[in-house]
Amino acid sequence: AQSVTQPDIHITVSEGASLELRCNYSYGATPYLFWYVQSPGQGLQLLLKYFSGDTLVQGIKGFEAEFKRSQSSFNLRKPSVHWSDAAEYFCAVGGFGNEKLTFGTGTRLTIIP
Amino acid sequence: GAVVSQHPSRVICKSGTSVKIECRSLDFQATTMFWYRQFPKKSLMLMATSNEGSKATYEQGVEKDKFLINHASLTLSTLTVTSAHPEDSSFYICSARAGSSGANVLTFGAGSRLTVL
Repeated sequence: AQSVTQPDIHITVSEGASLELRCNYSYGATPYLFWYVQSPGQGLQLLLKYFSGDTLVQGIKGFEAEFKRSQSSFNLRKPSVHWSDAAEYFCAVGGFGNEKLTFGTGTRLTIIP
Repeated sequence: GAVVSQHPSRVICKSGTSVKIECRSLDFQATTMFWYRQFPKKSLMLMATSNEGSKATYEQGVEKDKFLINHASLTLSTLTVTSAHPEDSSFYICSARAGSSGANVLTFGAGSRLTVL
C-alpha cells in the first residue's frame, strides 16, 4: 500500500528565512511525487512534481524539492519565504498509470514578520 | 492552463435533503475525474474515481448510495450527497487530468464546502 508521511503538522518561520518541509513516502514501485499548496478555503495548486531524471526539481514560486530514493523522501525547500507563502502544503505520491494520488496529512505553514 | 471549476463553492442544506456538486473541466476534456473529501485540518481522502460514460469506482468505505457520482460528459462530473446528515459536512474537491499535459498531473477544483444543519 502507498502512503505519505508529513511529520510536521505546523511550522512557523520568519519572513525571509529558509524553509524545509519534510515528506516521506512508501510506494511499491517507482513513485511519482508531488507537492501541492492549499490556501484557506481553496483547492490545491501544484507546486512541483518528480517523475524521473534530475532528483532536484524546481517548481513555481521559488520552491524546489529533492527526491532521495535511499531515504524515501521528497522534502520541499525554499531559500527565503514570503508572507504570501502561508498556507497548507501537501505531499502526494502516485505511480505510472496510477492517477489516484495518496496525500500526506499536510503541513500548515505560518509566516511571522 | 487547465482549469477545473466547481459549483457551488459553498452550500448549506437541511438534514435529509440532497445536494449536487458540479465539477467541470473548462478547457479540456477529462475522461476521468476524482472526488476527494477533506475533513478540517486533515488530508484529502479519495472518495471515488468518476469515469465518463460508466459507473464510478468507489474507494473502500465510501457509501456509493449516499455519494452518487455521474460523469455524463467529457467535461462534467457531478457528486450528489443524498439524504445529507451533519456528519456529511465537509470540503469536497474534484480533480481531473488534462490529457497528455503530463501523466498523473491533476488539476484541482477550488472545492465545495458543504454544511448540513
